[in-house]
Amino acid sequence: NAGVTQTPKFQVLKTGQSMTLQCAQDMNHNSMYWYRQDPGMGLRLIYYSASEGTTDKGEVPNGYNVSRLNKREFSLRLESAAPSQTSVYFCASSPSGTGYGYTFGSGTRLTVV
Amino acid sequence: GQQLNQSPQSMFIQEGEDVSMNCTSSSIFNTWLWYKQDPGEGPVLLIALYKAGELTSNGRLTAQFGITRKDSFLNISASIPSDVGIYFCAGRGTGTASKLTFGTGTRLQVTL
Repeated sequence: NAGVTQTPKFQVLKTGQSMTLQCAQDMNHNSMYWYRQDPGMGLRLIYYSASEGTTDKGEVPNGYNVSRLNKREFSLRLESAAPSQTSVYFCASSPSGTGYGYTFGSGTRLTVV
Repeated sequence: GQQLNQSPQSMFIQEGEDVSMNCTSSSIFNTWLWYKQDPGEGPVLLIALYKAGELTSNGRLTAQFGITRKDSFLNISASIPSDVGIYFCAGRGTGTASKLTFGTGTRLQVTL
């Protein structure tokens, strides 16, 4: 019953460093998403992948890149971290179609100093 | 993009009280979902609504899809300490494929 697995759970970066957040799902879902959660801002979509081989920008894509490595895995990369990217990052997945909710991972808490 | 206004932003209630929260949209939605986020965890789906006027229950939770298709309501009856967390509404509008828009959340705290 793994569902959506995110690694790492916690990370501290210095300004300018790069890192990749990993996400994998074992539910055979076609669609995957990356969100960030900030106090009072709710969940904001960074990037999503409607199906393997496709990726699209969400509401707040600046400073991020993504890779849909295969159907299971969807990674988020910060090329040059900034303090404004301090946040909690959530990966989610869903089946194709409009009748489904998302299954979320447990999040990565990132601090950029 | 679509906007979701969720209220209240936070609430303190006593154990045993009933709770109501709501979400309104600037545009019509075809699907409304309600999620709960426990501290340190990701959101978990509580209830899904697919039709205007639909009323759906999940234990002590009841949610409704507003008639106008621009709002939704969540009620929790007889609150208990484990109801603590952040509740998010989410909606899917017309022509937006499978992407959801999330509200800003209602933080619920229960006092004994």
